Amino acid sequence: GQQLNQSPQSMFIQEGEDVSMNCTSSSIFNTWLWYKQDPGEGPVLLIALYKAGELTSNGRLTAQFGITRKDSFLNISASIPSDVGIYFCAGRINDYKLSFGAGTTVTVRA
Amino acid sequence: GAGVSQTPSNKVTEKGKYVELRCDPISGHTALYWYRQSLGQGPEFLIYFQGTGAADDSGLPNDRFFAVRPEGSVSTLKIQRTERGDSAVYLCASSLYGGNTNTEAFFGQGTRLTVV
Repeated sequence: GQQLNQSPQSMFIQEGEDVSMNCTSSSIFNTWLWYKQDPGEGPVLLIALYKAGELTSNGRLTAQFGITRKDSFLNISASIPSDVGIYFCAGRINDYKLSFGAGTTVTVRA
Repeated sequence: GAGVSQTPSNKVTEKGKYVELRCDPISGHTALYWYRQSLGQGPEFLIYFQGTGAADDSGLPNDRFFAVRPEGSVSTLKIQRTERGDSAVYLCASSLYGGNTNTEAFFGQGTRLTVV
């Protein structure tokens, strides 16, 4: 499948902080998606992006579809404890198949 | 049901045995997908069904893996002669339509398969 590079691999958050993660690819995608996965659960869709340059928000989450179509970022503002989990980016070209990044693990800083 | 349901939640099997993993998609969803997620990785595509037919099985790793969806609803992923490397979480997802329609898929909670 397509190679998606997601960074950072892990991060620590303190309640109230803004956090950011991104995803890059050597290939062009026509759709970018961001998912969150909690332990023992399947991925849950957070934001879907369908147009290059598109900036979309869902509550405290904001994501952008990069102009080159090869990257996307996700920002979480004013983080809260329930934001911990694993965040995945996923890209789709022109069909149904999703290519996922390896995930960013978000944990609470002690 | 309200969401995608997968059974069992956990399955431990011995090397060489046969296993079946079941997926109940959201009612009315015509498209169904199987993904495999290894520890520390994102899900990887296995197979896509549109209705009863497997439209794309290019992600199945080898001929020990097979999936069916005989009535266009419930799907079963079958793994023969299991190997330790098959250990992973197997995720099922469904969407209202398939193809390039921007109708996103909903995932089940997965079946964690452990081959010992």
